[in-house]
Amino acid sequence: EAQVTQNPRYLITVTGKKLTVTCSQNMNHEYMSWYRQDPGLGLRQIYYSMNVEVTDKGDVPEGYKVSRKEKRNFPLILESPSPNQTSLYFCASSGAAGQGSYNSPLHFGNGTRLTVT
Amino acid sequence: QQQVKQSPQSLIVQKGGISIINCAYENTAFDYFPWYQQFPGKGPALLIAIRPDVSEKKEGRFTISFNKSAKQFSLHIMDSQPGDSATYFCAASWGYQKVTFGIGTKLQVIP
Repeated sequence: EAQVTQNPRYLITVTGKKLTVTCSQNMNHEYMSWYRQDPGLGLRQIYYSMNVEVTDKGDVPEGYKVSRKEKRNFPLILESPSPNQTSLYFCASSGAAGQGSYNSPLHFGNGTRLTVT
Repeated sequence: QQQVKQSPQSLIVQKGGISIINCAYENTAFDYFPWYQQFPGKGPALLIAIRPDVSEKKEGRFTISFNKSAKQFSLHIMDSQPGDSATYFCAASWGYQKVTFGIGTKLQVIP
């Protein structure tokens, strides 16, 4: 089954304790990205990756790191989490664009709910 | 700054009624307008999408209306069903996957 898998689904941690949220896709997609979802703010992009070893900042990158050493994996790292990073996080992937410049759809994982106390 | 403005934030519709969600944008570089549907505990999933050279796209009970001159687009759900209860996100993109999302609309369809 084609899917994007995130782990863990739920995570409670304390301020300053480094954590990693894993993301893996089995669709051989080049593009992967991380979003956070907050009430009243919708989905905001944190980082994205166009391919292996190619990453770039999204709209809200502060406090986050990513790496893309393999095509299928795109972990999100919070080196010193703070309470304002309490949120619902989604990883997404996408294949090559379709006809012309139009995009293929984003495939999302089921989310990781992070609470930082 | 929200590049795509979505309204309303919440919507309650009777079963069988029409649900309408509106979005507006400013950036004329946007060239792809998808809608995503999200059920509780799940990630968003593509519902329907439209290109700016088309004024309307229909898939089953779901229709996107697109007004390029007004820079507005909307999702219409005809004959709304309780199973349509979800959060809906409009989005706009340009280039390759430079996507910006609206804030979402939580739709509740009551029997």
